[in-house]
Amino acid sequence: DAMVIQNPRYQVTQFGKPVTLSCSQTLNHNVMYWYQQKSSQAPKLLFHYYDKDFNNEADTPDNFQSRRPNTSFCFLDIRSPGLGDAAMYLCATSKGGSGGATDTQYFGPGTRLTVL
Amino acid sequence: AQSVSQHNHHVILSEAASLELGCNYSYGGTVNLFWYVQYPGQHLQLLLKYFSGDPLVKGIKGFEAEFIKSKFSFNLRKPSVQWSDTAEYFCAVTLYNNNDMRFGAGTRLTVKP
Repeated sequence: DAMVIQNPRYQVTQFGKPVTLSCSQTLNHNVMYWYQQKSSQAPKLLFHYYDKDFNNEADTPDNFQSRRPNTSFCFLDIRSPGLGDAAMYLCATSKGGSGGATDTQYFGPGTRLTVL
Repeated sequence: AQSVSQHNHHVILSEAASLELGCNYSYGGTVNLFWYVQYPGQHLQLLLKYFSGDPLVKGIKGFEAEFIKSKFSFNLRKPSVQWSDTAEYFCAVTLYNNNDMRFGAGTRLTVKP
């Protein structure tokens, strides 16, 4: 019944060691999003894909990259994690199309990243 | 700066008390407004949303929210909370024709049995 799946749920990495977080969806939605949520803060949009079109937020550090090889999967790559990148990373999807701004976003359970 | 503000960081209520959580936004133009809820250990899920029509929107589990354009507000209400409403509540905004969603910092609601 799971619709947006994130793996792993918990990820520990070392300072500077590249890490990849995974998201998959069974909803066949056009849009996939990555958010960063630090403790007691609002989820912050990093970027999103509309189909294959990548849309980066202006203030997303270059250290964060994303790939979407097909409709179902989207990856978040952190090239050189710093201590400040420790956070919950949320993946979400939405249907897209005209009126997409009113779409409900469907969230995965998140991956909690710890940087040692 | 453009933002979404949730002024209550943590609200503690007893069961059957009435709830109102504040949400204000500072974006101009046409906005779409959402309330999401995150129950302990679960993912974010939609409670309700407003994008046009009746400014009083009803959502799941007895929640409602009222869009007051003149006040740039979209407060969430429930007349009688239950212990199972204990969760974190997030207000969010998208701008007309733009998928990018901006969230408030969230309000943690604790309902005491």
